[in-house]
This record gives sequence, structure tokens and C-alpha cells, in this order.
Amino acid sequence: AQSVTQLGSHVSVSEGALVLLRCNYSSSVPPYLFWYVQYPNQGLQLLLKYTTGATLVKGINGFEAEFKKSETSFHLTKPSAHMSDAAEYFCAVSGRSNDYKLSFGAGTTVTVRA
Amino acid sequence: DTAVSQTPKYLVTQMGNDKSIKCEQNLGHDTMYWYKQDSKKFLKIMFSYNNKELIINETVPNRFSPKSPDKAHLNLHINSLELGDSAVYFCASTQRLEGKGYTFGSGTRLTVV
Repeated sequence: AQSVTQLGSHVSVSEGALVLLRCNYSSSVPPYLFWYVQYPNQGLQLLLKYTTGATLVKGINGFEAEFKKSETSFHLTKPSAHMSDAAEYFCAVSGRSNDYKLSFGAGTTVTVRA
Repeated sequence: DTAVSQTPKYLVTQMGNDKSIKCEQNLGHDTMYWYKQDSKKFLKIMFSYNNKELIINETVPNRFSPKSPDKAHLNLHINSLELGDSAVYFCASTQRLEGKGYTFGSGTRLTVV
């Protein structure tokens, strides 16, 4: 079974500052890892994913994440926050088995201060 | 040209009623899911169908019954609605085993009064 833990339920950053959202995973098999964003009253949108290959993954809207197997982490970063980055962010993990079930973390709410 | 569409977007109903939520995807994916998002934004998988076959059935009250008439459609029927069923229900789809992640619908906000 796979699971993720997101450290910090709320993160507040100033506009232009670094955004860092932490995610640690638990998996008995090589995982697929994802970050999703949810804007108010909307569905979830895929930001980026790691499956195999390069451990630094670039996504949409200037976000990137690095898969670190030794630390079982997949932290999400953005060098410079924009007001439009205010949203809920979810880290998710799945195995590569037949059920391919995506398990989500509890989410991190990002607020951006002007 | 919406990829995953759910109807209705909002649903307000009384306790004890029976209601259905519909989901359709036009991405050609072979697997579809229902997730429940509670008031604390926690997302929990409920069901999954692959090519019309039920492959995931989490611990969900049997008042919830999914139906997949074909691989592009997955509906959720809920009998005898309870206050605790109030949540946002998301449909999602993917091409299984390809590691592409899910594409989500915009959600159905169910309020039971």
C-alpha cells in the first residue's frame, strides 16, 4: 500500500518569495508521484508527475519537484510566488500494480501575501 | 469539449431521498473513478471501473452503487441519503498503468438537508 504525508496544512508566503511544499511518501514498490492543485470551487489539476527517469520534474505554472528516494520525499517548489498561486495543493502517490489507486495527502493551503 | 464532465454541479436534497450523479469522459481512457472530498478537503477513493469492470471498491456504505454502462461513463447512485453524505464528489479518469495521473471533473457538491 502507498501513502503520503504533507507537512504543514497551511503555508503563507509573500508575493515573489519561494514556495516550498513538503511531501513524504511511503511505498513498498517504486511509486508514481504527483502534485495536484485545486482552486476554489474547482476540480483538481495536475501540476506535475514523476514516473521514471529524471528525478527533477518540471510542471506547469513554474512549479517543479524533486524525487529523492533516499529521503522518500517529493517536495514541490516555485522560485517566485504569484498571487494566482493561492490554492490547495495535494501530493499523491500510486503503485504500478493493477489497481493503480491514487492516494492523496491531506492537502496544503497556500496563501500569498501582497 | 470538456474532458471529464459531471452533472449536476450542485445537488441539494433532503435526507432519505435517492439521487444520481453522472460522469462522462471523452479522453478515450479505460479507467474511471469516484472520489469523495469531505469538508476538510480530504480526498478518499470510493470506486474504480476499468473497461466496465469494478476493480476498486473501498469501504463505502452499500447505499452507494456505481454503474458503468460503457468505458466512457461512470454514474454514482446514492440511496437513502444521510446528512453525512454531504461532500463534493469527483469523477476522474486515466489510462491505467501508463502513469499519466488522473484527469478530474469539476465536482458535484452534494448537500443533504
